[in-house]
Amino acid sequence: GDQVEQSPSALSLHEGTGSALRCNFTTTMRAVQWFQQNSRGSLINLFYLASGTKENGRLKSTFNSKESYSTLHIRDAQLEDSGTYFCAAEATEGADRLTFGKGTQLIIQP
Amino acid sequence: SVLLYQKPNRDICQSGTSLKIQCVADSQVVSMFWYQQFQEQSLMLMATANEGSEATYESGFTKDKFPISRPNLTFSTLTVNNARPGDSSIYFCSGTDNNQAPLFGEGTRLSVL
Repeated sequence: GDQVEQSPSALSLHEGTGSALRCNFTTTMRAVQWFQQNSRGSLINLFYLASGTKENGRLKSTFNSKESYSTLHIRDAQLEDSGTYFCAAEATEGADRLTFGKGTQLIIQP
Repeated sequence: SVLLYQKPNRDICQSGTSLKIQCVADSQVVSMFWYQQFQEQSLMLMATANEGSEATYESGFTKDKFPISRPNLTFSTLTVNNARPGDSSIYFCSGTDNNQAPLFGEGTRLSVL
């Protein structure tokens, strides 16, 4: 099975609202990274965490290695937040290789 | 922080031809990787580019089809041999430097006719 299970696969929000994306891991991960992929295909690094919580503007991410999950919270969603979000994780034995989740397609509606 | 540059950003090639994608880091990185992303899908690790030696390929990827070179700590190339329409995807290089966040190039969008 997949080592990185990302949910939901798609999400639609109205501007100003918020929600959370989640990744569950079936094996022990030492770090997680969250990306936004824009319409041109570029990967924008949002967060890289080895543990705990990081916050940047309207985004907040948590990584709990012991319980094998990570979340990305978006608040006060804006139209420019639309895109595909990926989590990717580094296994404890993996030499910096990333295993990606299947992504969440986020649509922000006016 | 390190920046990775890929060239070309996009290309169109005929079936049966070969295409070379370059990845350049503006400073040395310990590890370099290549990923493939089909449309509407996630990124899949293709191989680890090892400095001065053969790349380490993941299941489903071979050196005959996707030869990879990494002559030094700042440069790697991925070649797509005997390109087929099924190879049409975005190819990303990635570099990491000892517990730092992995960085990605802008991607190379390949269309094979």
